[in-house]
Amino acid sequence: EPEVTQTPSHQVTQMGQEVILRCVPISNHLYFYWYRQILGQKVEFLVSFYNNEISEKSEIFDDQFSVERPDGSNFTLKIRSTKLEDSAMYFCASTYLSGSSTDTQYFGPGTRLTVL
Amino acid sequence: EDKVVQSPLSLVVHEGDTVTLNCSYEVTNFRSLLWYKQEKKAPTFLFMLTSSGIEKKSGRLSSILDKKELFSILNITATQTGDSAVYLCAGTSGSARQLTFGSGTQLTVLP
Repeated sequence: EPEVTQTPSHQVTQMGQEVILRCVPISNHLYFYWYRQILGQKVEFLVSFYNNEISEKSEIFDDQFSVERPDGSNFTLKIRSTKLEDSAMYFCASTYLSGSSTDTQYFGPGTRLTVL
Repeated sequence: EDKVVQSPLSLVVHEGDTVTLNCSYEVTNFRSLLWYKQEKKAPTFLFMLTSSGIEKKSGRLSSILDKKELFSILNITATQTGDSAVYLCAGTSGSARQLTFGSGTQLTVLP
């Protein structure tokens, strides 16, 4: 069964460093998302991406964050200058835009980001 | 601001018990409600509900939506230790596609 994949599974970085989290969405999906989950807290929406541009973003997704689909398969989240409070599990998700399944988002296994 | 509230926050049962997990929502221009199971990492999709009163069923799990009272329940019958997980409820609204999640219910099934 097709699935969303994410790399790395765990990333440790120093405060102020740039990180890039990578995702490969399910191949025929057209809508992509990033969410984060700080330990012990809710899953929070960051950004959605469709047709090579950001569709929606939350207040969390400030100028330190950017997303890109550099080729036909990868979808990346970049954090330019990490802060301690960016430590969280970051999930990528994707959706196939057709019929009744348009809202069903399929999640990857996540990247645990630890900022020291 | 959209809000999804789940109860209870945690639940401990024994194998064979039946459990009911609750989800209430306040979502502007509500479109659908989704249930996910989160074990170690990724939320795994269970159900998507868009219409009131129509039960969705998958094995021992079932779910129903009440759009008048703005809530949904997830039932698990004959629970097994493998059902132990966090169960997440999320809503979508209008033309926006992001999911607004609740805090989840931590279900522990003891042998």
